[in-house]
Amino acid sequence: AQSVTQLDSQVPVFEEAPVELRCNYSSSVSVYLFWYVQYPNQGLQLLLKYLSGSTLVESINGFEAEFNKSQTSFHLRKPSVHISDTAEYFCAVSNFGSSNTGKLIFGQGTTLQVKP
Amino acid sequence: DGGITQSPKYLFRKEGQNVTLSCEQNLNHDAMYWYRQDPGQGLRLIYYSQIVNDFQKGDIAEGYSVSREKKESFPLTVTSAQKNPTAFYLCASSIAADWTEAFFGQGTRLTVV
Repeated sequence: AQSVTQLDSQVPVFEEAPVELRCNYSSSVSVYLFWYVQYPNQGLQLLLKYLSGSTLVESINGFEAEFNKSQTSFHLRKPSVHISDTAEYFCAVSNFGSSNTGKLIFGQGTTLQVKP
Repeated sequence: DGGITQSPKYLFRKEGQNVTLSCEQNLNHDAMYWYRQDPGQGLRLIYYSQIVNDFQKGDIAEGYSVSREKKESFPLTVTSAQKNPTAFYLCASSIAADWTEAFFGQGTRLTVV
């Protein structure tokens, strides 16, 4: 069975400060890794994903995440946050390879609160 | 524009009633999914379908039913057997040959009154 743990339910941070949202996963098979963002009363939008290759993946709005296989982690970072980054962030995994059905296993979510 | 449309955005149900949530996609995706979101619990899979006329139970299927008669449509019925239906429901779709990205609708907030 797979599971995803987001270590912080809420992360308050001041504008222009750096932030890290932590995600650990457990799986007996190889996985794809994702970060999704959700603004209030809206659906989820894909922020970035790790499928293979370089362990550091980046989004177009300055977020990055690094896949660490030995620590089974996929932490999300941004060097300088904006007020508009205030949202809920979800880490998720899905199976890699022939057993993949596209099902996502989600963490509990982390609310990023950016303060002026 | 291609995307996933969920309707209605807000839905109120009396106890003992069945309600159906609509999900339509024009992305030509093979697979569709229903997730339930509760505060502090992330998203949990209710049902999914990889092909027309076929679907599988997810982790919390009890009290729910689905159909997949058309590729574009995957409605979810919340039955009276679902004891705690108040939640935010999200529909998603993905390309079967890819499985590397799921696209989500804007969600339906269901409240039991």
